[in-house]
Amino acid sequence: AQTVTQSQPEMSVQEAETVTLSCTYDTSESDYYLFWYKQPPSRQMILVIRQEAYKQQNATENRFSVNFQKAAKSFSLKISDSQLGDAAMYFCAYDRGYSTLTFGKGTMLLVSP
Amino acid sequence: DGGITQSPKYLFRKEGQNVTLSCEQNLNHDAMYWYRQDPGQGLRLIYYSQIVNDFQKGDIAEGYSVSREKKESFPLTVTSAQKNPTAFYLCASSTRVGRTSQHFGDGTRLSIL
Repeated sequence: AQTVTQSQPEMSVQEAETVTLSCTYDTSESDYYLFWYKQPPSRQMILVIRQEAYKQQNATENRFSVNFQKAAKSFSLKISDSQLGDAAMYFCAYDRGYSTLTFGKGTMLLVSP
Repeated sequence: DGGITQSPKYLFRKEGQNVTLSCEQNLNHDAMYWYRQDPGQGLRLIYYSQIVNDFQKGDIAEGYSVSREKKESFPLTVTSAQKNPTAFYLCASSTRVGRTSQHFGDGTRLSIL
């Protein structure tokens, strides 16, 4: 069974600084998809970024970017110029491409002024 | 605007009662999902449906039931067989199972009286 591990239960960052959230996964597949979702205090899940394993280029969405290391099975999320609105629980998720998502347990990001 | 509507936002159940959580989407998505979220557990899949009149068990289906009679609707019933139903429940949809991101509703908080 696929597993997704987020080893940081909580991370802190100051406004305007950069923070990186870690995610590792276990798979024997060669083609798959990875996601980062954000869950703010309102508890609605919001897609942050998506990466396709066959693409070597790291995905980027404005201030959010990933460092995808396929051989190491690592998929970290970098948030640049952090804002107060970035404070949320962040979930890493794995998709085999033909099945449902497997989520990690999440990392709570705290942002201070 | 297209989206997913979950109702009610808060729900209380007495011991021995069945309760039904509603999930409606107007995104014209074929696939729909139900997740349970507990503190420190991330999201765990209860049931999912790839198409009308078809659904599959997820990782924690015991004590739950679903139906998919219409494309837009995927209600979840928490039966009296579910011994620990207190949790936050999230409904999601996607164009298909796998390879695409999921859109989420705002969730329903279920508590035992």
